[in-house]
Amino acid sequence: GENVEQHPSTLSVQEGDSAVIKCTYSDSASNYFPWYKQELGKRPQLIIDIRSNVGEKKDQRIAVTLNKTAKHFSLHITETQPEDSAVYFCAALLEGSGYALNFGKGTSLLVTP
Amino acid sequence: GAVVSQHPSRVICKSGTSVKIECRSLDFQATTMFWYRQFPKKSLMLMATSNEGSKATYEQGVEKDKFLINHASLTLSTLTVTSAHPEDSSFYICSARRDVSADTQYFGPGTRLTVL
Repeated sequence: GENVEQHPSTLSVQEGDSAVIKCTYSDSASNYFPWYKQELGKRPQLIIDIRSNVGEKKDQRIAVTLNKTAKHFSLHITETQPEDSAVYFCAALLEGSGYALNFGKGTSLLVTP
Repeated sequence: GAVVSQHPSRVICKSGTSVKIECRSLDFQATTMFWYRQFPKKSLMLMATSNEGSKATYEQGVEKDKFLINHASLTLSTLTVTSAHPEDSSFYICSARRDVSADTQYFGPGTRLTVL
């Protein structure tokens, strides 16, 4: 099955700086890679996703890059704000397989003013 | 669109009792729903995949007789924790896949179960 590794487990940045979270996956057939943001006690919220037919996707301050050859994908948050503080999870999936998402272990991001 | 609700949001029960958690897709039909549990500061652990009209598929190590899953309609899946024990205390979250051609999953708000 798919195995998703996520690094770092914790990340602390100053407001305005950029934050990068990296994930690797094991199954080369995986083709769908979402990122979720979870605040304490709340549900995971989809913030961005990418499919394997593109290498990069951007939505305002958030971007995701995908390197299929190396089997890794990264979340980039620019101009971080305190409200970006949360736990971020990456996931991977073979689209159409009917399988559940395979989640990374999460990155706790703290943005200090 | 793509709203998923869960009920109850919090439940406290005595050891040995059963607890039912409902997961509903409010504005779409979900042929597949997933149940996860999440311990504090940990990732989401998949418990089972619930398909409408068929038996759930459980992950290795998850007792199907203890965690009963029913997906009787395209908008409702239920998880019943039978004979709950303190070690079952956790945050249970469901998610729903909107359609068979896309794997975007939308999560419910979660249910905090505390077994005394």
